Amino acid sequence: DAGITQSPRYKITETGRQVTLMCHQTWSHSYMFWYRQDLGHGLRLIYYSAAADITDKGEVPDGYVVSRSKTENFPLTLESATRSQTSVYFCAISQTGGEAGAFFGQGTRLTVV
Amino acid sequence: GENVEQHPSTLSVQEGDSAVIKCTYSDSASNYFPWYKQELGKRPQLIIDIRSNVGEKKDQRIAVTLNKTAKHFSLHITETQPEDSAVYFCASRAPGYSSASKIIFGSGTRLSIRP
Repeated sequence: DAGITQSPRYKITETGRQVTLMCHQTWSHSYMFWYRQDLGHGLRLIYYSAAADITDKGEVPDGYVVSRSKTENFPLTLESATRSQTSVYFCAISQTGGEAGAFFGQGTRLTVV
Repeated sequence: GENVEQHPSTLSVQEGDSAVIKCTYSDSASNYFPWYKQELGKRPQLIIDIRSNVGEKKDQRIAVTLNKTAKHFSLHITETQPEDSAVYFCASRAPGYSSASKIIFGSGTRLSIRP
């Protein structure tokens, strides 16, 4: 579990501000994912990455930007935060793109006021 | 697009009874089906998984079944205990051949165990 770290754990930001959530792994897993968790919606995929410099949109990518210049880092940026982006954000990693589950970070609770 | 439907959204069972959660997936290419348990305020954790070449898998009080023809899979918890109270998520994953392989989750089932 210590192999994946999210920061910050809690963040309050104002509408319209840019905010970046960090995800760092020490296991060199190829796949990384960003999910948001809202009551009644479960875990919705925002973006995912199969390797450094390869990213793909998930179910709810609008308003978010990702990059993956290094295998171990997968930051998620909210370009102009809106109240609807208030959520708990989870980063997850997976060893391969095949029959493998994902391991989650501790989550970041983001509040947009 | 691909989606996973999960039912029921809430489930309350008497301690010692069994609980069943059902999921349906849409992507026929999906070949891996993990289940996660999330306790209040914690991260989701993988508790069991099943691959498409297997119809059933058991791990102590937990079992998963898969019906590929119907695109259904289910989680069965027997002899439920208070510590089983949590939110459970099913998920599906298709192999990454022409595109990257993503993991899609159901909307979750809140399981409560009554003493």
